[in-house]
Amino acid sequence: KQEVTQIPAALSVPEGENLVLNCSFTDSAIYNLQWFRQDPGKGLTSLLLIQSSQREQTSGRLNASLDKSSGRSTLYIAASQPGDSATYLCAVEDRSYNTDKLIFGTGTRLQVFP
Amino acid sequence: NAGVTQTPKFQVLKTGQSMTLQCAQDMNHEYMSWYRQDPGMGLRLIHYSVGAGITDQGEVPNGYNVSRSTTEDFPLRLLSAAPSQTSVYFCASNRDRTVFPLHFGNGTRLTVT
Repeated sequence: KQEVTQIPAALSVPEGENLVLNCSFTDSAIYNLQWFRQDPGKGLTSLLLIQSSQREQTSGRLNASLDKSSGRSTLYIAASQPGDSATYLCAVEDRSYNTDKLIFGTGTRLQVFP
Repeated sequence: NAGVTQTPKFQVLKTGQSMTLQCAQDMNHEYMSWYRQDPGMGLRLIHYSVGAGITDQGEVPNGYNVSRSTTEDFPLRLLSAAPSQTSVYFCASNRDRTVFPLHFGNGTRLTVT
């Protein structure tokens, strides 16, 4: 059974710092991996999608990498800002089961302080 | 576009009561889904639909019913609420199952006492 883990559960950094959020998954036979952002009291916002054949994707100050063989993805945030404070979730799309679904990690709660 | 709209935002139910969580999208998306989010467990898929008239079960469907009579609406029904259904419920949609990004509503926080 696919399991997705995100470590650390919470992270607090000063503004301007470059940081890395980690996501690991137990079964490397994934279709794609997505990163989401969730603000308090809100739904999720899609940030990046990496297809299983890709190694990385970039959007502005965000860069996500994927290493299927080791079951890992990282989300790199450059020059962090207080507005980046949110919970970041990763999810893998796994089509090996009958149920068509995204399997989510529990998220990393990020706080960027001025 | 309003995107994905969920109502109500908050709801308190007593055990055994029934209710319907509403979800509507105005983007003409074929794919819609319901998730629940619980502390320490991530989001889990309850039910999904790939188009009007078609629904299927997700990971945790027990205690919930759905229907999809129109492209726009995908209500989630709790038939007899239980404390274990206390959670935050999110509706999501996208153009089809393979298209990124997935659009989420702002959630319904449900408490069952």
